[in-house]
Amino acid sequence: DAKTTQPPSMDCAEGRAANLPCNHSTISGNEYVYWYRQIHSQGPQYIIHGLKNNETNEMASLIITEDRKSSTLILPHATLRDTAVYYCIVNNQGGKLIFGQGTELSVKP
Amino acid sequence: DSGVTQTPKHLITATGQRVTLRCSPRSGDLSVYWYQQSLDQGLQFLIQYYNGEERAKGNILERFSAQQFPDLHSELNLSSLELGDSALYFCASAREQTNTEAFFGQGTRLTVV
Repeated sequence: DAKTTQPPSMDCAEGRAANLPCNHSTISGNEYVYWYRQIHSQGPQYIIHGLKNNETNEMASLIITEDRKSSTLILPHATLRDTAVYYCIVNNQGGKLIFGQGTELSVKP
Repeated sequence: DSGVTQTPKHLITATGQRVTLRCSPRSGDLSVYWYQQSLDQGLQFLIQYYNGEERAKGNILERFSAQQFPDLHSELNLSSLELGDSALYFCASAREQTNTEAFFGQGTRLTVV
């Protein structure tokens, strides 16, 4: 699986957009980009995934660069409940998800 | 609620003992994954089953074993427990074997004393 690099922590003001970057420069053509988050000791929660096109759902948007070497998860209007660790994962091997250290997002009032 | 049920929620046991953690996947999901999360290690992939067969293995100790039953529920057996096995153990399920979203249970918190 391709390795990912994420900043260890970020802050965001409540109501503003949170933009979480992920670098995956060694991603191969058939690997997807997945985002999960974990709110303090709860089970991780799936957010979104994509291959090469930008994706949007009710939770977030995923922007993947044209060369697919990086991506950004966008939470359009962050709330205090979005405070969590966000994991960017690239994967093509039998669905097995390997979690890195993630980005700890703190949404502040 | 993810639809994945893990029991028990909390477990306290002594070193050297054996415990069994249980996971019921979402209805219709054929894949089950087990993860261990301790304070200093993050989320570690242990093992994956698909429709009763082992599909992938991660950093699972020989003292640990798992299986998936015909009704698709799964059990993770931990034996000869050590203090370092204290952790949160998560189960996740997914519809297919490959490239799909996984739904996680709320975990079992194991404390070895």
